[in-house]
Amino acid sequence: SQTIHQWPATLVQPVGSPLSLECTVEGTSNPNLYWYRQAAGRGLQLLFYSVGIGQISSEVPQNLSASRPQDRQFILSSKKLLLSDSGFYLCAWKNTGELFFGEGSRLTVL
Amino acid sequence: AQSVSQHNHHVILSEAASLELGCNYSYGGTVNLFWYVQYPGQHLQLLLKYFSGDPLVKGIKGFEAEFIKSKFSFNLRKPSVQWSDTAEYFCAEYNFNKFYFGSGTKLNVKP
Repeated sequence: SQTIHQWPATLVQPVGSPLSLECTVEGTSNPNLYWYRQAAGRGLQLLFYSVGIGQISSEVPQNLSASRPQDRQFILSSKKLLLSDSGFYLCAWKNTGELFFGEGSRLTVL
Repeated sequence: AQSVSQHNHHVILSEAASLELGCNYSYGGTVNLFWYVQYPGQHLQLLLKYFSGDPLVKGIKGFEAEFIKSKFSFNLRKPSVQWSDTAEYFCAEYNFNKFYFGSGTKLNVKP
């Protein structure tokens, strides 16, 4: 069966520090992969999506970037975190028409 | 850009009351529509989905949704809610490789 792993689950980082959130999917190949940010009362904001290795589409210009170095690996990064980057980040994958979510990463920038 | 609107941000119901949560989407072409639920402390999971065919879609746990193309709506319904339905509900639209979500509706069911 397919599973999605996302880590770390929680992260506290100082302003200006780098960020790396990682997501891997098991049990499938060539999935579409997504990064969302969930904020209270604002739903899920699509940040990046990828339809294949090395293919990244950005939805919202911001202080973050994404990479897909392998078929089932999706990484969310930042070179210098801002306070406004705090939030709950969700990785998700699509295969047969619906979206499956990871358990999320809570980022607090101090 | 496509958008999904959920009209009710917070709904409070008593057990056994009927539920209807509104959802409107903007894309005028062929759409795939979804309702997701997030129970407290849990990750998002699919309630139901509409791709084509019968516009009345049955989902898990007694939920259903009706696709009305002329109104660009996909409202979620349940005849009789339970305390365990307390959760946040998200409507979503998929097209062109992207899933767009509404802002969510928090449902609080009082026992």
